[in-house]
Amino acid sequence: AQSVTQLDSHVSVSEGTPVLLRCNYSSSYSPSLFWYVQHPNKGLQLLLKYTSAATLVKGINGFEAEFKKSETSFHLTKPSAHMSDAAEYFCVVSGSTNAGKSTFGDGTTLTVKP
Amino acid sequence: EAGVAQSPRYKIIEKRQSVAFWCNPISGHATLYWYQQILGQGPKLLIQFQNNGVVDDSQLPKDRFSAERLKGVDSTLKIQPAKLEDSAVYLCASSSRGTGEETQYFGPGTRLLVL
Repeated sequence: AQSVTQLDSHVSVSEGTPVLLRCNYSSSYSPSLFWYVQHPNKGLQLLLKYTSAATLVKGINGFEAEFKKSETSFHLTKPSAHMSDAAEYFCVVSGSTNAGKSTFGDGTTLTVKP
Repeated sequence: EAGVAQSPRYKIIEKRQSVAFWCNPISGHATLYWYQQILGQGPKLLIQFQNNGVVDDSQLPKDRFSAERLKGVDSTLKIQPAKLEDSAVYLCASSSRGTGEETQYFGPGTRLLVL
């Protein structure tokens, strides 16, 4: 069985300040982990993914995430928020040995204030 | 390359009516997924196809939902009869081989409102 918990349903930051979106996971397998972003009225888009290579993963638009097995976490960070980062973010866990089934978290809404 | 296409984009029906959604995945992608996203929640996998075979449909309410993927390309998801709680966005996604490491590419979704 696998599950994902996004620890904050809403995060609000000021433009130019750091972003931290928290994600904890549970998996019986060696997991792959993803962050997807969903802008209003747009489809889900991959930000970055971890697939058992380097534990610090860099993605698009300056985002990065670190896989910490001991803490079962995969938190998403960005050094400086931009107005265009305002969106819904989903953490996803996927198992390599269960037909690749993906489990999504309930999402974190990021608001960026000017 | 063209992305995942879905239609219609919006649908309003009354409860007990039927509705169908269509999805055309990225060309050459063997794996196709249907997700249900209820407002305020993350997408929930309804069914996963590998070519035209079903890999996982454990969360598909089979008494009212059905899906098919003829010839391993396009797919149709049907609800009959619809209930109020089926109001959601239905997302279609595809990936190359369906392994857990792959990126899934999502369509724009179909927003369903059941009155």
